[in-house]
Amino acid sequence: DQQVKQNSPSLSVQEGRISILNCDYTNSMFDYFLWYKKYPAEGPTFLISISSIKDKNEDGRFTVFLNKSAKHLSLHIVPSQPGDSAVYFCAASGAADSWGKFQFGAGTQVVVTP
Amino acid sequence: GAGVSQTPSNKVTEKGKYVELRCDPISGHTALYWYRQSLGQGPEFLIYFQGTGAADDSGLPNDRFFAVRPEGSVSTLKIQRTERGDSAVYLCASSLTRDTRDGYTFGSGTRLTVV
Repeated sequence: DQQVKQNSPSLSVQEGRISILNCDYTNSMFDYFLWYKKYPAEGPTFLISISSIKDKNEDGRFTVFLNKSAKHLSLHIVPSQPGDSAVYFCAASGAADSWGKFQFGAGTQVVVTP
Repeated sequence: GAGVSQTPSNKVTEKGKYVELRCDPISGHTALYWYRQSLGQGPEFLIYFQGTGAADDSGLPNDRFFAVRPEGSVSTLKIQRTERGDSAVYLCASSLTRDTRDGYTFGSGTRLTVV
């Protein structure tokens, strides 16, 4: 039962443009969401998070938007840089779960072209 | 060390054999997690330790999988009678406390291949 879905397996974007990655979830008990970035042969690296009490969180070039009614979140990267080429995972957790037990999406491969 | 260390980085084993995967968390991190990532999928939760005890092992797929953390630091994931379906990257992560609201730190993983 896939509770976190990233329906776009890949995204190609030109350097300098905006990258928009989408994530949908089905469990209304989820109240905390994270984005991770992963390079080949490395572990995922935490990027940005958002709590369900907010609808936006910004950190430099990265902004995450949360739409609770639609059970949808998105990650915006602006401007996109070649070093942003990686796989991005969306993850969700609920207070009812033990802390640290995250459900991950399948990931979106981002390729930033010159 | 500075990060989460996992050994070996690669392991090839024959079907039916026993394997052990090791995780050295960041020093002082009390919470430790094991995840499994199959090809084309996101990481899947296996087990979470708080100190020496398994606080949540609901993700272990069956009784062939077992994990220990006897001294509250290093953890070992043990897989008995390996099957080809166990082939995946096994990721370990740690965090300072059980409140992971700033994310936790993953190791580079152990790629297990069962032939």
